[in-house]
Amino acid sequence: AQSVTQLGSHVSVSEGALVLLRCNYSSSVPPYLFWYVQYPNQGLQLLLKYTTGATLVKGINGFEAEFKKSETSFHLTKPSAHMSDAAEYFCAVSEVSSASKIIFGSGTRLSIRP
Amino acid sequence: DAGVIQSPRHEVTEMGQEVTLRCKPISGHDYLFWYRQTMMRGLELLIYFNNNVPIDDSGMPEDRFSAKMPNASFSTLKIQPSEPRDSAVYFCASRTSGGADTQYFGPGTRLTVL
Repeated sequence: AQSVTQLGSHVSVSEGALVLLRCNYSSSVPPYLFWYVQYPNQGLQLLLKYTTGATLVKGINGFEAEFKKSETSFHLTKPSAHMSDAAEYFCAVSEVSSASKIIFGSGTRLSIRP
Repeated sequence: DAGVIQSPRHEVTEMGQEVTLRCKPISGHDYLFWYRQTMMRGLELLIYFNNNVPIDDSGMPEDRFSAKMPNASFSTLKIQPSEPRDSAVYFCASRTSGGADTQYFGPGTRLTVL
């Protein structure tokens, strides 16, 4: 069975600092991996996704994530945080073979200090 | 495209009343998902449909919850009778058949049961 673990329910960084949100997954078959962002009072929207090919995936708003099969990780990073990045971030996984529902992590709330 | 449309955006009702939430998926999408989000339990998948057929309703909390998709452009989630613990934000999402395809979320319905 698939599962996703997001380390840290709340992360706080200073504006301009590196953002690192951690995600580890469990899947018995090759996975598709996603990061979604949720701004206050809005639905989730896709930041980036890994399907096949290049393991470093670039998304919107300067975010990127690297798929590391050996570590079963898909951590999200951004070199320099901006106040507008404050939001909740969800890592998610789906199995290539079943391709139906995706499993979301519990979310990490990112706060940005001025 | 207008995106996933949900109505109402806010619903306040009294315990014991019937509540109906509505969703219009993106045209051409053949998967539709209903989620519930609370502070305590995070984002939970309630049920999802493929080509208007319910595939997995294992996340539906109890018999008070029911969901239908009479056609490709409309789905409802009904709670009868409603209880205060049903208070949450309910999201609808849709996507196409590809397993790696992006799931598009609606803006959500914030339900408050008094």
